Amino acid sequence: KAGVTQTPRYLIKTRGQQVTLSCSPISGHRSVSWYQQTPGQGLQFLFEYFSETQRNKGNFPGRFSGRQFSNSRSEMNVSTLELGDSALYLCASSLDGGGYWETQYFGPGTRLLVL
Amino acid sequence: DAKTTQPPSMDCAEGRAANLPCNHSTISGNEYVYWYRQIHSQGPQYIIHGLKNNETNEMASLIITEDRKSSTLILPHATLRDTAVYYCIVRVEGGADGLTFGKGTHLIIQP
Repeated sequence: KAGVTQTPRYLIKTRGQQVTLSCSPISGHRSVSWYQQTPGQGLQFLFEYFSETQRNKGNFPGRFSGRQFSNSRSEMNVSTLELGDSALYLCASSLDGGGYWETQYFGPGTRLLVL
Repeated sequence: DAKTTQPPSMDCAEGRAANLPCNHSTISGNEYVYWYRQIHSQGPQYIIHGLKNNETNEMASLIITEDRKSSTLILPHATLRDTAVYYCIVRVEGGADGLTFGKGTHLIIQP
């Protein structure tokens, strides 16, 4: 079974631009979570989607948004990019068959550099 | 507030067992102990999890003390590829909030 895939793997943007990152979960997984990893803050939870609905959200500004499609694929968008948004963005999927949190499996990440 | 405490770094000789400790003295009865690792610049990799019984899979063993206030992840025969940052996370079953990662333990396997 294929793992979580993320595209693109690397991205360079300039301040003020916006960016969209994509995540395809493991086949059959319905929950997708997004995380940001920076050297200073470590791994931080952004938000989680299940059945096309955002179920939970971390402590990030509204410039960070996401959505999930009916096939469980997810996208996250960052608008008005700032230098501090340079980070590794990770997507994780889980089965979530019974409404309980289950083991999350991570993708390789998208490395975003904001100049 | 950090729910887990791990040493910042550890060394282990290749071929020996690597024992990574984790303290979680405030763990609740319905919280599981999860271990992930992250090899440089890759996404975190799930290793193992447990509630109160010891667990073993093809990657590692997890030993949880009887009072559940601490646990040890054991990699039985460490290889150079096991060099990574290892995260110990406590997590309640249910809910939809994300994983809370601490700083983890940087395990360095020495040849």
